[in-house]
Amino acid sequence: AQKVTQAQTEISVVEKEDVTLDCVYETRDTTYYLFWYKQPPSGELVFLIRRNSFDEQNEISGRYSWNFQKSTSSFNFTITASQVVDSAVYFCALTQGGKLIFGQGTELSVKP
Amino acid sequence: SQTIHQWPATLVQPVGSPLSLECTVEGTSNPNLYWYRQAAGRGLQLLFYSVGIGQISSEVPQNLSASRPQDRQFILSSKKLLLSDSGFYLCAWSKGGQYNEQFFGPGTRLTVL
Repeated sequence: AQKVTQAQTEISVVEKEDVTLDCVYETRDTTYYLFWYKQPPSGELVFLIRRNSFDEQNEISGRYSWNFQKSTSSFNFTITASQVVDSAVYFCALTQGGKLIFGQGTELSVKP
Repeated sequence: SQTIHQWPATLVQPVGSPLSLECTVEGTSNPNLYWYRQAAGRGLQLLFYSVGIGQISSEVPQNLSASRPQDRQFILSSKKLLLSDSGFYLCAWSKGGQYNEQFFGPGTRLTVL
């Protein structure tokens, strides 16, 4: 069965520190997509990235970067030089037949 | 560009009362539509999804129901609310197909007393 595990329940860092959020997934599909979402205190989930199972190139977008490794079934998310505005709950998700399977989320707190 | 609306933003209802939450999408056609519930503790639970008008798939048996009377309208209902129905309800849409990202609305915070 498909499953997404985000083992880090809460992470607290000081502003300007780098932080990595872990995501491990399980699937028997050969074609699948992985996602990251951000949920700020306002509650709305914000889409960050989609990655397909055939593309293991790392992706960088500003201070955000993603490392996809099929060998370890991981899709980790790194924020460089964290800022207070990065404080939020971050969800990793995996496709399953048109639906998304979400991890339990990691709450990131960035302190000034 | 596409936008997704949900209302009301917050709702306080007594146990046993009915419920109707509405979600509408603008700027796209034939979207897939989803209802999620997020209880305290953060996990997102998929309740219903729809790939077209009148086509509803239920993920979790419960006292809630969903309807899609129009292409871009998705409604979540209950005839009698339970205390356990309290939570944050999120509507989402995606393009048709299996692998597209979902875009979420602002959510409705429901408290059942």
